[in-house]
Amino acid sequence: EADIYQTPRYLVIGTGKKITLECSQTMGHDKMYWYQQDPGMELHLIHYSYGVNSTEKGDLSSESTVSRIRTEHFPLTLESARPSHTSQYLCASSANGYNEQFFGPGTRLTVL
Amino acid sequence: QQQVKQSPQSLIVQKGGISIINCAYENTAFDYFPWYQQFPGKGPALLIAIRPDVSEKKEGRFTISFNKSAKQFSLHIMDSQPGDSATYFCAASRGSNYQLIWGAGTKLIIKP
Repeated sequence: EADIYQTPRYLVIGTGKKITLECSQTMGHDKMYWYQQDPGMELHLIHYSYGVNSTEKGDLSSESTVSRIRTEHFPLTLESARPSHTSQYLCASSANGYNEQFFGPGTRLTVL
Repeated sequence: QQQVKQSPQSLIVQKGGISIINCAYENTAFDYFPWYQQFPGKGPALLIAIRPDVSEKKEGRFTISFNKSAKQFSLHIMDSQPGDSATYFCAASRGSNYQLIWGAGTKLIIKP
């Protein structure tokens, strides 16, 4: 089983709140990703990183931001949550030279 | 040209039957074709993957068939079991340092 962790697993918050979704991996992978997914639906890449201090936006426009200060940590922040941000957020990582992505269990976010 | 088209969107198969999910791609530079399996409340996990130098890869009850000339690949699940009920995603990428391009997913239900 992959060692990639996401917290919280579930989050219900009000509109306008600032939130940070945490993602950590203990595999030493250089590449990390954030996906947005409505349950059972298509995966949309919103951010990725190929290493420390490297972050890029993905295919799906997102109002969130990410940082990569440590190899193992890739948090995602929403400065002002809105109901349209309600979704599941999946974090993944992969090793350099390899395509396989290992996924965390996801954070189910509900913004009221 | 970056798209991966997956079909069907949903599939119901009787226990013991064969489940078949298809994907098509346009970019001939793709050289890695994985299938991921996702159970409700979990992140996707790699099930099986193939590279274009072979036409078929089998792991237990799961087989990928790859048709390079048609730019199609498919997942076959033999002797389908209720525990196989999940959402399946195909994907493709070009080299190990490029993003995975994901299909839209197929929700598979195996009826007992």
